[in-house]
Amino acid sequence: DIQMTQSPSSLSASVGDRVTITCQASQDIDIFLNWYVQRPGKAPELLIYDASSLEAGVPSRFSGSGSGTDFTFTISSLQPEDFATYYCQQYDKSPPSFGGGTKVEIK
Amino acid sequence: QVQLVQSGTAVKKPGDSVRLSCKASGYTFSSYYIHWVRQVPGQGPEWMGFINADGGNTRYGPRFQGRVTMAMDTSTNTVYMDVSGLRSEDTAMYYCTRGLVSAIFDVWGQGTVVAVSS
Repeated sequence: DIQMTQSPSSLSASVGDRVTITCQASQDIDIFLNWYVQRPGKAPELLIYDASSLEAGVPSRFSGSGSGTDFTFTISSLQPEDFATYYCQQYDKSPPSFGGGTKVEIK
Repeated sequence: QVQLVQSGTAVKKPGDSVRLSCKASGYTFSSYYIHWVRQVPGQGPEWMGFINADGGNTRYGPRFQGRVTMAMDTSTNTVYMDVSGLRSEDTAMYYCTRGLVSAIFDVWGQGTVVAVSS
């Protein structure tokens, strides 16, 4: 199975900050990577698919990049509703697998 | 609107089985797969398997093969997942989610808590 490693596992930031999260795959997954946000008590929500494509209706402050084994997720200007946990997920090989998550907290 | 509505909380004892349901609405049911993903508190989600709503073929994750069965009722656009041989480690939130064979999960159910305790 492909292992997905996210870093950091948590971070503190302020409204308006630029936030970057990284995700590393244990083997080459091309661009077959998604990013989700999960707010407390809620199901995950798709933000980015195919490493860099913005899901319909998702604000443009969210972006993704990368290919192969190394990926980056960025929030250009953190908003109050963005304090949540973010997960990467690969779907190049079955079984699909998720990272351990990055919790973004208020500084 | 597109929705997946899941069944309510299940409290079970070790060794029991549980059936979870997921009712789809707002889209053409047969055009998508329904995947099941579970999440232990404080951990990342874990994929369990899928059922193709066009024909009903299934694929299960290696950790769940033999313990999980997925089925569907096309008359009600409902997908079911049976999990047998429950153990305390199966205590988690279980989500159904819409995707294709490519696991891009664009719609999620609200989740079902399964608690396993003696």
